[in-house]
Amino acid sequence: DTGVSQDPRHKITKRGQNVTFRCDPISEHNRLYWYRQTLGQGPEFLTYFQNEAQLEKSRLLSDRFSAERPKGSFSTLEIQRTEQGDSAMYLCASSTVREAGSTDTQYFGPGTRLTVL
Amino acid sequence: GQQLNQSPQSMFIQEGEDVSMNCTSSSIFNTWLWYKQDPGEGPVLLIALYKAGELTSNGRLTAQFGITRKDSFLNISASIPSDVGIYFCAGSRQGSNYKLTFGKGTLLTVNP
Repeated sequence: DTGVSQDPRHKITKRGQNVTFRCDPISEHNRLYWYRQTLGQGPEFLTYFQNEAQLEKSRLLSDRFSAERPKGSFSTLEIQRTEQGDSAMYLCASSTVREAGSTDTQYFGPGTRLTVL
Repeated sequence: GQQLNQSPQSMFIQEGEDVSMNCTSSSIFNTWLWYKQDPGEGPVLLIALYKAGELTSNGRLTAQFGITRKDSFLNISASIPSDVGIYFCAGSRQGSNYKLTFGKGTLLTVNP
């Protein structure tokens, strides 16, 4: 069983450009999450999918951010008109339903490090 | 914002020593997870705790879910150089069981 994979691992872009990241979850995991991590902090929740449905978005996810999971497998996170404050590690995690009403065990990918110049 | 208080912020120990770190919350959590993160990588799951009072081991690591459901601790016994890294606690609250809240991490340095 391969783990969560993310592409690219590193992205350097100029302010104002658009960027897109991809996440491939562990196969057959129906839940997928995006988190953002800045230096010296723990990851912060951005959004969550169950299959192809996006069920929650954090207020951290401004209207410049959009995430999709069109076929319930891989997901993309797009940031439009990037700002220097968007520089962070973007982490993807996936899980399968452990039992109804309980928290799944989330497995993280290696992350995409974004630097906005 | 983050609601978990993780301590200590950093630790410098000698190889072979035992280590203890903990996490507290003002809210009740129904799941506690402990992760380790190496520089430039994603967090790797160490131990998952699902019931108050639960004590779980994974090799030299032991973690407990506090009875009050507002705290958890992680112990590492007989530390080795490869234990170096940042350890994060994470938890989820009732009604938000898909959303993990993380502490700020404990940076562990092991001197050989």
